[in-house]
Amino acid sequence: GDSVTQKEGLVTLTEGLPVMLNCTYQTIYSNAFLFWYVHYLNESPRLLLKSSTDNKRTEHQGFHATLHKSSSSFHLQKSSAQLSDSALYYCALSDLPGNTGKLIFGLGTTLQVQP
Amino acid sequence: ETAVFQTPNYHVTQVGNEVSFNCKQTLGHDTMYWYKQDSKKLLKIMFSYNNKQLIVNETVPRRFSPQSSDKAHLNLRIKSVEPEDSAVYLCASSLDWGGQDTQYFGPGTRLLVL
Repeated sequence: GDSVTQKEGLVTLTEGLPVMLNCTYQTIYSNAFLFWYVHYLNESPRLLLKSSTDNKRTEHQGFHATLHKSSSSFHLQKSSAQLSDSALYYCALSDLPGNTGKLIFGLGTTLQVQP
Repeated sequence: ETAVFQTPNYHVTQVGNEVSFNCKQTLGHDTMYWYKQDSKKLLKIMFSYNNKQLIVNETVPRRFSPQSSDKAHLNLRIKSVEPEDSAVYLCASSLDWGGQDTQYFGPGTRLLVL
């Protein structure tokens, strides 16, 4: 079945360094939708960015990701980490669009940004 | 204010008791979801409803039952809770159920089963 892999459970960075959180996925469908959701402590998870277009960069709030269907990847990047970026980041895959619409989440990566 | 609201925020109960969690969205969406976030932060869908109709019913124990009175409300009842039910239960909604729509989450209900 469909799955999402986030290799790193915890990423610790110094403020100002670049961020890269890995996400790979498996699906039998060619038109997958990929999402990044961010969950700040004591807040609700919310969408950071999403894409279904191959090789097109998507940006929001300083973060960006490019869906690469050839490698089944959707890595999240940011050029310079800020203390306020500390949160839990989920990569998610949408079941076949137009079907059930359920999201399959990876295990999440906790990003800790230190001064 | 338009958002997804959940009650209670936190609930402590004993094994074998029944609990109910409420979720309401004021976003005008047609689809609502229940997710379980366990102690390891794994987030997994349990149910989804579109306009009061059950769309997704993942493999969850039969003691879990969703209830939808209208498309703005989706409650979750757990009969006879067990220790492994301790988790955060997140409600979400989206415009439609096609899979590409953004899901908006509530703050969650944290359940502790003693």
